[in-house]
Amino acid sequence: DAGVIQSPRHEVTEMGQEVTLRCKPISGHDYLFWYRQTMMRGLELLIYFNNNVPIDDSGMPEDRFSAKMPNASFSTLKIQPSEPRDSAVYFCASSPGYTGELFFGEGSRLTVL
Amino acid sequence: DAKTTQPTSMDCAEGRAANLPCNHSTISGNEYVYWYRQIHSQGPQYIIHGLKNNETNEMASLIITEDRKSSTLILPHATLRDTAVYYCIVRGIKAAGNKLTFGGGTRVLVKP
Repeated sequence: DAGVIQSPRHEVTEMGQEVTLRCKPISGHDYLFWYRQTMMRGLELLIYFNNNVPIDDSGMPEDRFSAKMPNASFSTLKIQPSEPRDSAVYFCASSPGYTGELFFGEGSRLTVL
Repeated sequence: DAKTTQPTSMDCAEGRAANLPCNHSTISGNEYVYWYRQIHSQGPQYIIHGLKNNETNEMASLIITEDRKSSTLILPHATLRDTAVYYCIVRGIKAAGNKLTFGGGTRVLVKP
């Protein structure tokens, strides 16, 4: 199994631009999570889905952030417009059922200038 | 979910057992203890979890005290590749949602 696949691995953009991060979960996993990691705030849960349905988006920082999961094998996290404070590593994770065993991708490192 | 307290950092000698403590004094009866680690520049990795019995797998052992207010993750023979941040997480029942909330963790440095 290829594991959770995220793209791009690195993204450098300018303030005000739209950013789209992509995630392919492990096949058969019905939970998908988006986390953000910064030095100041550590690992924060942004949103998670169950069977493609958003269950809890209370961690999404503001309306500039949106996440979708159009099917079981793909999810996006979009930031529009981006700001320098959005610079972070964004992780996607998936899990098979309610196990607490999350499988993380390698992350997308976003730098907003 | 119950809050956990871990030392900020600790050093371990290569080849020796590494014992990582975690306090979770407010844990409730139906909350599990999970351990993850994050090696530099990688995503977090699941290690082990338990409810009240001690658990062992190919990576580590988890010892939970009888009152469940603390636990210890044991890496039996630490290697340089075990250098990472280790997170102890207490996770609630299904009704609370399938969340995993990471704290600050313990930064473990394995030295030759």
